[in-house]
Amino acid sequence: EADIYQTPRYLVIGTGKKITLECSQTMGHDKMYWYQQDPGMELHLIHYSYGVNSTEKGDLSSESTVSRIRTEHFPLTLESARPSHTSQYLCASSELFSGNTEAFFGQGTRLTVV
Amino acid sequence: RKEVEQDPGPFNVPEGATVAFNCTYSNSASQSFFWYRQDCRKEPKLLMSVYSSGNEDGRFTAQLNRASQYISLLIRDSKLSDSATYLCVVNGDFGNEKLTFGTGTRLTIIP
Repeated sequence: EADIYQTPRYLVIGTGKKITLECSQTMGHDKMYWYQQDPGMELHLIHYSYGVNSTEKGDLSSESTVSRIRTEHFPLTLESARPSHTSQYLCASSELFSGNTEAFFGQGTRLTVV
Repeated sequence: RKEVEQDPGPFNVPEGATVAFNCTYSNSASQSFFWYRQDCRKEPKLLMSVYSSGNEDGRFTAQLNRASQYISLLIRDSKLSDSATYLCVVNGDFGNEKLTFGTGTRLTIIP
């Protein structure tokens, strides 16, 4: 079982609120990712990190920001939530490149902005 | 052109049949390849890695063709529990190591 956790699992929040989605892993992985996925649609990489103090933007432009102050945490923040941010957000982690390295996913946060 | 392309399906296949999925990737320097499985409203989970020589895990066989930049997954004797979305995943080259997911191929096994 993967040791990567996301909180909250579900969040319904009003437009304009600031929100932070938490992601923690206890596997000591250097690489962490945030993906956005709408129901029945593909995963889009929005942020990733190679380790502490490393953050990179993914393939899909996102208004969210991330930080990596500690290896085990990779929180995602939306300064002002909008209905267009409604989606599922999936966090993942893996070892830094070591051949066929597996990525482990958290259970996701389903965000609804009303 | 997308970095990783898959036929989205859906594939509706009778139980016991053999089904094959294909995937192409655009970055010839990509280093590692995977098939993930995602059940409805769940997170993706690794099904199997794909090795250059091809590899098998029970009823599942994965193949890699680097020259054609092509990956395949074969499922034999399909079970109802195989119904899911299958995601082709490619890890970038050194210095660009991020996992890129294909759109996924939806498979439904029919009793």
